Parts: sequence; C-alpha cells; structure tokens
Amino acid sequence: DAGVTQSPTHLIKTRGQQVTLRCSPKSGHDTVSWYQQALGQGPQFIFQYYEEEERQRGNFPDRFSGHQFPNYSSELNVNALLLGDSALYLCASSPMVAGGQETQYFGPGTRLLVL
Amino acid sequence: GESVGLHLPTLSVQEGDNSIINCAYSNSASDYFIWYKQESGKGPQFIIDIRSNMDKRQGQRVTVLLNKTVKHLSLQIAATQPGDSAVYFCAENLGTGGSYIPTFGRGTSLIVHP
Repeated sequence: DAGVTQSPTHLIKTRGQQVTLRCSPKSGHDTVSWYQQALGQGPQFIFQYYEEEERQRGNFPDRFSGHQFPNYSSELNVNALLLGDSALYLCASSPMVAGGQETQYFGPGTRLLVL
Repeated sequence: GESVGLHLPTLSVQEGDNSIINCAYSNSASDYFIWYKQESGKGPQFIIDIRSNMDKRQGQRVTVLLNKTVKHLSLQIAATQPGDSAVYFCAENLGTGGSYIPTFGRGTSLIVHP
C-alpha cells in the first residue's frame, strides 16, 4: 500500500513565477491537507480539501490556492512567488470520519527554492 | 495567540539511555495530541497520539504523558537508538468543523551518540 506521494521532490523557481505541486493521498484517504515548513520550523497549515472543496484554511494569502480531484489527489498552486515562499511543502492525508479525530499521514514533501 | 512550544531545541543522549522530550501547549480547548518524528529530507512520521481523556499512553519503546493541569506533554523514548535521531514535533489538535488540524511547535532535535 503506497503512502502519501508528492511531486516533484525538488523545484527551483524565480520570483514572480507560479508553481504547482501535486499530491496523491494514501489509499482509503479522502481528505488532503497542505502545509508549509520553513527551515528550522514546524509545519504551518495552509488549507484542507475534502470532497473537492476547501474546508479549512490557515493564515496564508490568496496567492496560495488548491484543488482536489475526484480521485482525491490534490494540487497546491502558488502565484507571484516570493523569496519567502522557499520552504518544504508537505501534503498530508486522512480519512474523513465522524468526529474528525483521524491522524494525518504526511508525504515526503516538495522542496521549493525561490531565487 | 495560543501556541504549542517545546522547552528544549536540542537534546543529546547516549545510545541506550532513555530520552524525554517536553512540550508545552497553551490552548485549553485542544483535546487531541500527536507526536511526530521527522528525519532529514522526509515528512513528519506519526509516532503516538493521546486524547485529552487520558494521561498516559504507551507504544513500542515510546510513552506519551499528558498533564492537562499544567498543559504539558512529554514523549519518553526507552533505550534510545541512533535511528531515533531526528526532529520531534508535538502537535495539538483543535477540532474545527469536524476536522482536526494539527498545530505544530518548533520541534526538538534529538541526537543519539553511539
């Protein structure tokens, strides 16, 4: 059973460009969350998708957007990249069950460097 | 705002010793806590969780203790091995709209010396 997978593993962009990161959830999981992890910090929640809709959002600007597909995979898009967007972007998946108390399983992340 | 934090950024231990990693949380509404291990170049890996109706939970070589009175969480690793070297994060979970979103602290770097 494959866990959470993400692509690409590494990416280099320049300021002002746009980037799309991809995530495939663990089998049986229908909820996908995205996190940004700056060097030396803990992951910060960006947003969560369920049933192809954004359910919750963290404190990130509108430059950060996402999408979830019918097969539960997801994309994270970042427009007008800034140097400060350089980070490890993590995707986590979980099953949506009553009560919501289900552990999220993380992928290996995409390392984004903005020059 | 309320946040999760760790007391020690770095912990160095000898192989075979027991390790204790501490975490303070400040949001009294948090009712579910998770410890994650993150090795270099990898995403966080679930270690153990605990719900607020418990004060102790044991796994394989790991124990999590929860003290709600002082809002403190700890992770104990028995017989620490070099493979345990990693950054450890505690995360508090706030149920919002039926879904738990973990809030992470900075992390503690555990270094195990052979």
